[in-house]
Amino acid sequence: KQEVTQIPAALSVPEGENLVLNCSFTDSAIYNLQWFRQDPGKGLTSLLLIQSSQREQTSGRLNASLDKSSGRSTLYIAASQPGDSATYLCAVATGAGSYQLTFGKGTKLSVIP
Amino acid sequence: DGGITQSPKYLFRKEGQNVTLSCEQNLNHDAMYWYRQDPGQGLRLIYYSQIVNDFQKGDIAEGYSVSREKKESFPLTVTSAQKNPTAFYLCASEKGRYSNYGYTFGSGTRLTVV
Repeated sequence: KQEVTQIPAALSVPEGENLVLNCSFTDSAIYNLQWFRQDPGKGLTSLLLIQSSQREQTSGRLNASLDKSSGRSTLYIAASQPGDSATYLCAVATGAGSYQLTFGKGTKLSVIP
Repeated sequence: DGGITQSPKYLFRKEGQNVTLSCEQNLNHDAMYWYRQDPGQGLRLIYYSQIVNDFQKGDIAEGYSVSREKKESFPLTVTSAQKNPTAFYLCASEKGRYSNYGYTFGSGTRLTVV
C-alpha cells in the first residue's frame, strides 16, 4: 500500500527566503505526483502535476522535482511571500488496476513579513 | 470558467438525520471523487465514480451513499449510520481515471453535527 510522508509538518520562514518542501513515497510505480495548496477552510488548488516520465515542472516561482527511484519529490518556492502561507499537500497516483490518489498530511508554511 | 461547485459551504446535521452534499462540475470530466478531511489525518477516499451510473466504494464508505445519474453531478449523502460525520468534505474530478491530467477540487463543505 502506498504511503506518502511530508516533512516537515510545519515550517516558518522570513519573507524573501527560498525554501524546499519534501515529499516521500514508498511505492515507486506511480502514474503521477501532484502538489496542491490549501488555505484554511478552503479546497485544494493544484499547483503542479509531474507525470511519471518527467523529472520536474515549473510554474512561476514554483519548481517541483520527481525522483521515482528514490521515492522523493521536492517543491521549491523561490523568494517566498506572506501570500504563500498555506498548507502544501503532496499526492501520488498509484496502482495498476486500482488507481488511487494517496495524500500526504501536508506541510503548513508560514512566511513572516 | 470551468470548475467544481460544492454546496452548501456549511451544513449542520442533527442526530439521526440524513444530509446530502452537492457536487457539480462543468469540466466535462468523466471521473469524480469524494474525500473526507479530518485534522491530522489527511484526505481519505469515500466513493468514486468513473462513468455515469457507476460508482465504487473507497476506503471509508460506511455510512455514506452516492449517485451518478448525470455526468456533471455526484451528490454525497451522509446517512444516520455514519457515527462521526463532523468533517470537511471535498469533491474532486479528473478527466478520466488513468488520464494523467491530475485532479481538480471543489471548495469543500464543512459538516457539523449539532
